[in-house]
Amino acid sequence: DVKVTQSSRYLVKRTGEKVFLECVQDMDHENMFWYRQDPGLGLRLIYFSYDVKMKEKGDIPEGYSVSREKKERFSLILESASTNQTSMYLCASSPATSLKTQYFGPGTRLLVL
Amino acid sequence: AQKITQTQPGMFVQEKEAVTLDCTYDTSDQSYGLFWYKQPSSGEMIFLIYQGSYDEQNATEGRYSLNFQKARKSANLVISASQLGDSAMYFCAMREDGGNKLTFGTGTQLKVEL
Repeated sequence: DVKVTQSSRYLVKRTGEKVFLECVQDMDHENMFWYRQDPGLGLRLIYFSYDVKMKEKGDIPEGYSVSREKKERFSLILESASTNQTSMYLCASSPATSLKTQYFGPGTRLLVL
Repeated sequence: AQKITQTQPGMFVQEKEAVTLDCTYDTSDQSYGLFWYKQPSSGEMIFLIYQGSYDEQNATEGRYSLNFQKARKSANLVISASQLGDSAMYFCAMREDGGNKLTFGTGTQLKVEL
């Protein structure tokens, strides 16, 4: 079974802090994604990566950056957390050869005070 | 313009009955994929079913089937014989030709009642 894990299920941070959200997948997938989920808005893509050190902006990249130094790990960074970044963050991965689905992690609920 | 529209924010269904969750989409691509995911209260997104734009038959996976009407650009999810465990948020999503990116709808909260 594909497994995507995220470093924290719940996280509380203060405004202005630098926040790292980590995602690891164990299926050697090329593609990895970061989404945020807000009520009434569904999931929105922040960034995705199709290879090590490669990244592309999604629909809402402002206020975020990403890092992919190893194939299995994709990090989302909030350089200076703000209250409007309080949200549920979901990581996903998929193989390059099959676009039939993405496999999601359990999500991180981030609260910025 | 929204690419994926789910017009039902919430639905109720009685146990053992069938329910249809609506999804319409907008794309100018000829090749695309449509997906349904389930998200229980635990938060994890669970892949349910996939339909390719060139697939001639409607996709089915156990109690889930996708009613694909290409001309109407709709991809409704049908859940047969609803169970209490089907209570969850359901998302429709689309992948457009050549892309890795999924675009999601806003979701439908389904509640299965006794």
